[in-house]
Amino acid sequence: IQLTQSPSSLSASVGDSVTITCRASQGISSQLAWYQQKAGKAPKLLIYAAVTLQSGVPSRFSGSGSDTDFTLTISSLQPEDFATYCCQQFNSFPLTFGGGTMVQIK
Amino acid sequence: HVQLQESGPGLVKPSETLSLTCTVSGGSISDYFWSWIRQPPGKGLEWIGYIYYRGDTKYNPSLKSRVSMSTDTSKNQFSLNLISVTAADTAVYFCVRGSGWFDPWGPGTLVTVSS
Repeated sequence: IQLTQSPSSLSASVGDSVTITCRASQGISSQLAWYQQKAGKAPKLLIYAAVTLQSGVPSRFSGSGSDTDFTLTISSLQPEDFATYCCQQFNSFPLTFGGGTMVQIK
Repeated sequence: HVQLQESGPGLVKPSETLSLTCTVSGGSISDYFWSWIRQPPGKGLEWIGYIYYRGDTKYNPSLKSRVSMSTDTSKNQFSLNLISVTAADTAVYFCVRGSGWFDPWGPGTLVTVSS
């Protein structure tokens, strides 16, 4: 299953709301996770099962969608949120990741 | 809380075997699935495969002919072997907990394939 993220990069300011889209090449129900990755670091799980916030993740992060179309929204961008975000499906093997969306400071 | 740490050679020669170990601390490897994921420099993430603590495995078909994984419950470790490596196997290798979504992650270790 291929996951296509858009945009591949975006520029935003602190306080902005941003939305990242992940589209699956076939239906995956709600079996999607979102990760945040900062340069030189391991990815960090943000959301699983499309909408469930991982413990300890700020509530400004939210996920929505099902079947083939999913979104990650950051409601009020904070300085520590500038990073790359990627989606991952766990509906079928092999497990696959999207190409990533880099969120940069405007 | 559970922490993972990868260990192994940072440089492997072409055609040789890449071997990495992940040590789990703060919790037992029992009752969980454990995966390996890699990320070539500047590229996206690729799931390599998972192993259940009892030894059941599932591998990415793209690597299946070259990959093997194992566990050592006495040491709370699991391992990855990748044979016949080429430059295309140069990547940061992460060990992670899970077979669906992944959490937590080890910090990753860069393995370079070069003569």
